Amino acid sequence: DTAVSQTPKYLVTQMGNDKSIKCEQNLGHDTMYWYKQDSKKFLKIMFSYNNKELIINETVPNRFSPKSPDKAHLNLHINSLELGDSAVYFCASSPRGGVERREQFFGPGTRLTVL
Amino acid sequence: GQQLNQSPQSMFIQEGEDVSMNCTSSSIFNTWLWYKQDPGEGPVLLIALYKAGELTSNGRLTAQFGITRKDSFLNISASIPSDVGIYFCAGHYFVAGAGSYQLTFGKGTKLSVIP
Repeated sequence: DTAVSQTPKYLVTQMGNDKSIKCEQNLGHDTMYWYKQDSKKFLKIMFSYNNKELIINETVPNRFSPKSPDKAHLNLHINSLELGDSAVYFCASSPRGGVERREQFFGPGTRLTVL
Repeated sequence: GQQLNQSPQSMFIQEGEDVSMNCTSSSIFNTWLWYKQDPGEGPVLLIALYKAGELTSNGRLTAQFGITRKDSFLNISASIPSDVGIYFCAGHYFVAGAGSYQLTFGKGTKLSVIP
């Protein structure tokens, strides 16, 4: 009955590789997000998707591309991985509607290590 | 983007003591959320605040939305060992260019409880 799930939990890869992280939510939410948490635990939003449309894109390198096959999934593709991409990546989702309904629920995270 | 100043950065307390942490900003926020993150896990929502001046409790946790909408505090009473973790404040603000709300996070308060 996991609400927001991510795979894999850990990802270790070589610099220059291309990798993907998957996210699924079974909460029926309309909006999904990707966050990056650095070594200092700072959480920074990368993307958000609402009904398959990108609605916020922070200054993230275009090597990162979110892809949403349907409302319940938002995958993160990363091309040409760099050392600085090492971090924990969190997926989150929230219901659409008024601001009162925008609590975000987070997945367990994917720890990416680039060697 | 909007910035949240969260303090203290870390706390060491004795079991049974009360804890207080807060977030301030020079900007106005529509909602305030408080999350807790355990090691190796994603942030878990503790309390959501929607209206200026609102005071909300969740068990031993109490949080308030500042009357100016620029600050919030979280109190934990009678701390126990399982309260250990990182606590984040987060605030929603409207991004006119995107036509949607974005959530920004404080840098976290790391709580250690000494049995």
